[in-house]
Amino acid sequence: AQTVTQSQPEMSVQEAETVTLSCTYDTSESDYYLFWYKQPPSRQMILVIRQEAYKQQNATENRFSVNFQKAAKSFSLKISDSQLGDAAMYFCAYRTRGSNYKLTFGKGTLLTVNP
Amino acid sequence: DVKVTQSSRYLVKRTGEKVFLECVQDMDHENMFWYRQDPGLGLRLIYFSYDVKMKEKGDIPEGYSVSREKKERFSLILESASTNQTSMYLCASSLVLSNQPQHFGDGTRLSIL
Repeated sequence: AQTVTQSQPEMSVQEAETVTLSCTYDTSESDYYLFWYKQPPSRQMILVIRQEAYKQQNATENRFSVNFQKAAKSFSLKISDSQLGDAAMYFCAYRTRGSNYKLTFGKGTLLTVNP
Repeated sequence: DVKVTQSSRYLVKRTGEKVFLECVQDMDHENMFWYRQDPGLGLRLIYFSYDVKMKEKGDIPEGYSVSREKKERFSLILESASTNQTSMYLCASSLVLSNQPQHFGDGTRLSIL
């Protein structure tokens, strides 16, 4: 069974600084998708960024980028120029290609942004 | 934008009651999901549905059932609520393609007294 591990229950960053959230996963599959979701306090969970395992290029969405290391089964999220609105719980998630349903989530990292 | 609407943000019920949590999506998504979110445990899948009247158990289906009579609506049912079902419940929907993200509702914080 696939597992997703987020080893940092909490992280903090100063406004305008850069922070990296870690995620590792365990799978025997070769083709899959990885996602980072953001859940602000008392607000809806939204997709931040996604990565397709067959693509070697790391995904980027504005200030958010990933460092995808397939051999190491690592998928970290880097947030540049952190803003107060980035404060949230961040979840890493995995889905096997061809699986139409099952997202496996990590337990989350609570990010605090200090002014 | 995809809209996933959960009928209640907060709900308080008593032990033994039958509880219905409703979820509606407006994007004609095939897949719908119910998760439970607890501190330190992340999101755990209770049930999902990939078509009308079709359902499959997730990781923690015990004590729950679901209903999907129409494509846009997916209901979670607690047959006889217990205090250990106090939690945040999240509904999500997605297209059937595996590279498509799931879209979440705002969540229902359910307290069972």
